[in-house]
Formats: sequence, structure tokens, C-alpha cells
Amino acid sequence: AQTVTQSQPEMSVQEAETVTLSCTYDTSESDYYLFWYKQPPSRQMILVIRQEAYKQQNATENRFSVNFQKAAKSFSLKISDSQLGDAAMYFCAYTPVGGKSTFGDGTTLTVKP
Amino acid sequence: GAVVSQHPSRVICKSGTSVKIECRSLDFQATTMFWYRQFPKQSLMLMATSNEGSKATYEQGVEKDKFLINHASLTLSTLTVTSAHPEDSSFYICSAREPRGPSEQFFGPGTRLTVL
Repeated sequence: AQTVTQSQPEMSVQEAETVTLSCTYDTSESDYYLFWYKQPPSRQMILVIRQEAYKQQNATENRFSVNFQKAAKSFSLKISDSQLGDAAMYFCAYTPVGGKSTFGDGTTLTVKP
Repeated sequence: GAVVSQHPSRVICKSGTSVKIECRSLDFQATTMFWYRQFPKQSLMLMATSNEGSKATYEQGVEKDKFLINHASLTLSTLTVTSAHPEDSSFYICSAREPRGPSEQFFGPGTRLTVL
């Protein structure tokens, strides 16, 4: 069974600074997708960024970027120029092609003004 | 992005009654929908996978007779909590996936169920 591990239950960052959230996963598949979702206090799950495993290039979405290390099965999220609105719980998710997702336990990010 | 609605957003019911939660994909057809349960400050726990026109696939430990799932159309899935008890109180989230998308799920806003 696939597992997703987020080793940081809580993280804190100063506004305008950079923070990195870690995620590791376990799978025997060669093709799959990885996602980072954000869940703010409203509890609406929002997609932050996605990575296709067959792509070597790291995905980037504005201030959000990932460091995807396929051999190490690592998928970290970097948030640059942190904003107060980035405060939320962040979930890393692994999804085999056409399959169901496995979520990590989440990392609660606090942004200090 | 695609939009998924969920209704109601919150419901309070008496113990022993049944509650139905609706999940709709508003601008795309979803052959697969997922139902999750989430406790405060915890991760999403998959309850079942709902496929249009067929029976739902339940995760181990989830009572299929208690949590009835129906996926009657390509845009609507329902979760009915039958004979609800206080321990069923939780936050329920649905998600939908486009048939030819990159396995991304679009999430509904969730339903907070409180059973008195």
C-alpha cells in the first residue's frame, strides 16, 4: 500500500520569507501524480500545485514550487515571499494514474506578520 | 478550475434520524466521485469511491449499510448517513474527478454534521 509522510506537523514562517514543507511517499509504480493541497480555516480544499512523475522538470506556480526527487521519493513544497493568506493546513497527496489518492497527515503553516 | 458544490454546508440532526448530503459537479461530468471524512486537524479519510451507474466501493472498516452512497448521474452523488449517532458527527467532504483529467480531484466545500 502506498504511504505518504509529512514529517512536520507544524511550521512557522515570517511574512515575506521562504518556507519549505517536506513530503515523502512510497510506491512501486513508475507513473503517478503528486499534489499539494491547501486547506485554509474555511476547510475548502484548494489545489496548490501538481507534478506528473514522468516529468523531470519541477512544477512551479507563481510563488509555489516543488522539489521532486523521484529516486528518493521526495516531493517538497517551497513557498516564497510568504503571505498571511498562505496560513493553512497543507496536504501532500499521491495518486496513481486513474486511482484513488493517499494523503499525508498534513502540515499546519503559520505565517507571522 | 472545475467547481464542485456540496449541500447542505452544515446540518444538525437528532440521534436515530437519517441525513442526506449531495455532491454536484457543476461544470463537468464526473464518472468518479470520492467521499471523505475529516476530524479536526486531521487528514482526509477516504470512505468510499462512487462510480456513476455502479455500486460504490467502500474502504475497509466503513459500514456500507450505514453510509449509503448513490451516484445516479454524471453530476450528482449522494451520501446518506442512516440512523445517525453522535459518533457520526464529523466533517464530510466530497470530491470529483474529470474522466480525462490528470487525476486531479476537485473538492466540495464540505458538510459539517452534528448529531445530538
